[in-house]
Amino acid sequence: GAGVSQSPSNKVTEKGKDVELRCDPISGHTALYWYRQSLGQGLEFLIYFQGNSAPDKSGLPSDRFSAERTGGSVSTLTIQRTQQEDSAVYLCASSTLAGVAETQYFGPGTRLLVL
Amino acid sequence: SQKIEQNSEALNIQEGKTATLTCNYTNYSPAYLQWYRQDPGRGPVFLLLIRENEKEKRKERLKVTFDTTLKQSLFHITASQPADSATYLCALTMDSNYQLIWGAGTKLIIKP
Repeated sequence: GAGVSQSPSNKVTEKGKDVELRCDPISGHTALYWYRQSLGQGLEFLIYFQGNSAPDKSGLPSDRFSAERTGGSVSTLTIQRTQQEDSAVYLCASSTLAGVAETQYFGPGTRLLVL
Repeated sequence: SQKIEQNSEALNIQEGKTATLTCNYTNYSPAYLQWYRQDPGRGPVFLLLIRENEKEKRKERLKVTFDTTLKQSLFHITASQPADSATYLCALTMDSNYQLIWGAGTKLIIKP
């Protein structure tokens, strides 16, 4: 079956512009995660969605970052007024449940470069 | 806060040998520790999960150990192959929190 997909695969933008990153999770997966991966760093948790519950936004680095998940499926991560330090790979993952031992399935990521 | 340390230097191993990667954590022991593989330009792929009360877990050529006294997990690949070359990430989670805390990964290079 289809895995997690993300678009665009690469995004180059100018400082100050807004960007939208999209994630299509595996069908039927109720949990969805966004991470940021910078060169040489571990994955940084950003936000988590579980079903119809309020999302856990505790990892969002600033109020310029926001995310939505429509209809319990597709999710969009929006970064407003991008800064150079936002340059990173943004990874989306989904899992069947949000249990502590649930395997997360990752998309290929969106590589964001802010000039 | 909980931190994970993985060797940032690449590990070079001769084909056919056993590769061993280390994951050390600080503070209290996690309930679960997972290992993922990441290839360039791709997202991480789950390999193995080991629970706090398990000492060892195996899957084909892979073996993971978990030593809560040393606060360390070891990841072994036996009979290594060039196709095993990738970055290997460890991640842990506490019993009451679904969030994974990730190490930065160790790059493994298997030379033919």
